[in-house]
Amino acid sequence: AQTVTQSQPEMSVQEAETVTLSCTYDTSESDYYLFWYKQPPSRQMILVIRQEAYKQQNATENRFSVNFQKAAKSFSLKISDSQLGDAAMYFCAYRSGETSGSRLTFGEGTQLTVNP
Amino acid sequence: GAVVSQHPSRVICKSGTSVKIECRSLDFQATTMFWYRQFPKQSLMLMATSNEGSKATYEQGVEKDKFLINHASLTLSTLTVTSAHPEDSSFYICSALRSAGNNQPQHFGDGTRLSIL
Repeated sequence: AQTVTQSQPEMSVQEAETVTLSCTYDTSESDYYLFWYKQPPSRQMILVIRQEAYKQQNATENRFSVNFQKAAKSFSLKISDSQLGDAAMYFCAYRSGETSGSRLTFGEGTQLTVNP
Repeated sequence: GAVVSQHPSRVICKSGTSVKIECRSLDFQATTMFWYRQFPKQSLMLMATSNEGSKATYEQGVEKDKFLINHASLTLSTLTVTSAHPEDSSFYICSALRSAGNNQPQHFGDGTRLSIL
């Protein structure tokens, strides 16, 4: 079974600074997808960024980028120019690409605080 | 973009009541929907996978007679918490997967906060 580990329960960053959230995963599959979701206090689940395992290039979405290290099974999220609205719980998630309609496996989450 | 509507957003009811939560995909067809439960400051725990036209697949430890799931159409899945008790109080979230394409992300509803008195 696949597992996802987020080793940082809490992180904090100063506004306008850069922060990196860590995520590692364990799988024997070669085809899979990785995601970062943001859950603000409203508890909506918002997709931040996704990465296909077959792509070597790291995904980027505006101020959000990932460092995908497939051999190391690492998938960290970098938030640049942090804003107060970035404060939220962040979940890393894995999904198999070998099974149609397969589930998401979530990490434990990292609570990000942005200090003004 | 893909929109998933979850209703109601908040329920407060007495112990012993059955509560139905709806999850609708508004602008796409969803063959598969997922139901999660989330305790405060914890991750999402998958309860069951709901497939249109067939029985739901429940995760280990989740009582299927307690949490009834119906996925009667490609746009609607319902979760009914039967004879709810205070320990069932939690945040329940659904998500839907587009029917087309294996690389589609899950789209989440806004969740339902269930409080049993």
